Amino acid sequence: KQEVTQIPAALSVPEGENLVLNCSFTDSAIYNLQWFRQDPGKGLTSLLLIQSSQREQTSGRLNASLDKSSGRSTLYIAASQPGDSATYLCAVTNYGGSQGNLIFGKGTKLSVKP
Amino acid sequence: KAGVTQTPRYLIKTRGQQVTLSCSPISGHRSVSWYQQTPGQGLQFLFEYFSETQRNKGNFPGRFSGRQFSNSRSEMNVSTLELGDSALYLCASSLADFGSGDEQYFGPGTRLTVT
Repeated sequence: KQEVTQIPAALSVPEGENLVLNCSFTDSAIYNLQWFRQDPGKGLTSLLLIQSSQREQTSGRLNASLDKSSGRSTLYIAASQPGDSATYLCAVTNYGGSQGNLIFGKGTKLSVKP
Repeated sequence: KAGVTQTPRYLIKTRGQQVTLSCSPISGHRSVSWYQQTPGQGLQFLFEYFSETQRNKGNFPGRFSGRQFSNSRSEMNVSTLELGDSALYLCASSLADFGSGDEQYFGPGTRLTVT
C-alpha cells in the first residue's frame, strides 16, 4: 500500500532564506508526483507536476525534483517571502491505478517570518 | 478559463440528516474526483468519476455516494450524517488524458459541519 510522508511537519524560517521541503513515498511505481499549496481553510493550488520519466520541474522560485528509485521528492523554494506561508502537500498517483486517485502526505506547514 | 467550482461553500447539518454537494469541473475536463480532508486523517480519496461512471472508490462506507452528469458536473451525497463526517470536502478535475500523468485542479471546497 502506497504511503506518502512529509518531513518536517512544520517549518519556520526568516524571510529571504532558501528552503527545502521533503516528500517520500514507499512504492516507486508511480505515474507522477504533484506538489500543492493550501492556504488555511482553502482549496489546493497546484504548484508543480513531475511525470515519472522526469527528474525535475521549475516554476519561478520553485523547483521540484523526483528520484523515483529512492522514493523521494524535494520542493526547493528560493528567496522565501511571507506570502509563501502555507501548508505544502505532495501527492502521488500510483501506476496502474486510477489517475484521479491521489495519495497525499500530511503536509509541511511553512511559516516565513518578515 | 473558470476554475473548479463547488457549492455550497459552507453547510451546517444535524446528525442523521443527508447532504448533497456539487462540483463543476473546468470546461473540457472529463474526470472528477472527490476528497475528504480532516485534521486527523488528512486528505483521503473518496471516488473518481469519468464519463458518468465511477472509476475508482476509496475506503469509505456506503453512506458516501456520488454521480456524474453528461456535462461532467458531479454531485456527492452523504446519508445519515455522523459527527465524524465534519470535514472539508474537495473536488478535483482533470483532462483524463489516459497514458500520461494528469494534473489535478482543485476547487475551493465545501466545509461541512455536523452537529
